[in-house]
Amino acid sequence: SQQGEEDPQALSIQEGENATMNCSYKTSINNLQWYRQNSGRGLVHLILIRSNEREKHSGRLRVTLDTSKKSSSLLITASRAADTASYFCATELQYNTDKLIFGTGTRLQVFP
Amino acid sequence: NAGVTQTPKFQVLKTGQSMTLQCAQDMNHNSMYWYRQDPGMGLRLIYYSASEGTTDKGEVPNGYNVSRLNKREFSLRLESAAPSQTSVYFCASSEVMSAGGIGYTFGSGTRLTVV
Repeated sequence: SQQGEEDPQALSIQEGENATMNCSYKTSINNLQWYRQNSGRGLVHLILIRSNEREKHSGRLRVTLDTSKKSSSLLITASRAADTASYFCATELQYNTDKLIFGTGTRLQVFP
Repeated sequence: NAGVTQTPKFQVLKTGQSMTLQCAQDMNHNSMYWYRQDPGMGLRLIYYSASEGTTDKGEVPNGYNVSRLNKREFSLRLESAAPSQTSVYFCASSEVMSAGGIGYTFGSGTRLTVV
């Protein structure tokens, strides 16, 4: 089974609303990353949070990490139609640092 | 433009045919990866190469072979294509980021259909 499981699988909101998506993982990590994928394109790195960090911000993005619960959340504030995409969490495992394990993704639709 | 280049972008194969997906990066990254993406499954690692001359199996290697031709190029070969290999294939390379940890740069993908 996947190291990263995300929920919800799909999310539809109006422009201006906040979007929150969650990621749970199974084994100890060095860091957790979030990637974005526009339809038909490759994934693009958004933000990285290290295992010793609890919260990180980048523009309208806010990521939290709770290693005791093995979970992370990505919050996109004041969403825009251009935020419509799929979002994936990816973990770099503590004892296997040469690759990332991706979650199943959340498909976000932002309506104008 | 710097980045990861995959060819072809689209391919239709008949069952049993073979083909090679090409990937090249010009960022001098050591590590390269092949993933497949299927609906509801996220990205699953097929093979990766931590450095020139080395390759390792990922989560779903059966039915595939890889070659790390040089530091720039990492190819994925399907020797005898099967309908179960219908998928979107992504190549990626990685570097160690200033914030720590490895960050990936992805190609734009190859959409493969096996009929």
